[in-house]
Amino acid sequence: DTAVSQTPKYLVTQMGNDKSIKCEQNLGHDTMYWYKQDSKKFLKIMFSYNNKELIINETVPNRFSPKSPDKAHLNLHINSLELGDSAVYFCASSQGHPTYEQYFGPGTRLTVT
Amino acid sequence: GEDVEQSLFLSVREGDSSVINCTYTDSSSTYLYWYKQEPGAGLQLLTYIFSNMDMKQDQRLTVLLNKKDKHLSLRIADTQTGDSAIYFCAESTMNYGGATNKLIFGTGTLLAVQP
Repeated sequence: DTAVSQTPKYLVTQMGNDKSIKCEQNLGHDTMYWYKQDSKKFLKIMFSYNNKELIINETVPNRFSPKSPDKAHLNLHINSLELGDSAVYFCASSQGHPTYEQYFGPGTRLTVT
Repeated sequence: GEDVEQSLFLSVREGDSSVINCTYTDSSSTYLYWYKQEPGAGLQLLTYIFSNMDMKQDQRLTVLLNKKDKHLSLRIADTQTGDSAIYFCAESTMNYGGATNKLIFGTGTLLAVQP
């Protein structure tokens, strides 16, 4: 009965590789998000999709490409990985109006060597 | 700017009250949130407060909002060792046509509860 799930939980890869992280929510929410948490625990939004439409796109390198095949799934593909991409990536979903509470997945720890 | 400030660290003894403070920046924020992050886990929504409220109580948690000073606090009564975690406040900014809002998270406060 997991609400927001992500795979994989850990990802170790070398510089220059391409990798994907998958996210699924079974809460029936219309909006999903990707966040990046750096080593100092600073959390920043990257993208948000509402009903498969991109609505928030922060200043993120275009090596990062989100894809939403349906409103229950939001995947993150990263090309040409760099050392600075090492972080924990969180997926979240939101029930929308009026309180817009966001519910987070367990995170994917990406380590680029 | 978009900086939401929190003190980095708070240490309390089990059974005492904990007060975690947050200063936010956007006076038009409609909702403000508190999240808890345990080691190796995702963020758990604890509570939220609407901007026209001064206070909200939810079991051991009390949220106080001073909109004039843009100051938010979270009080945890009878703090337990299981409350040890990082606590994040977040303000909501910009409503994208009602589809979502954008959360700006604080820097996080590490709460250490001593037995």
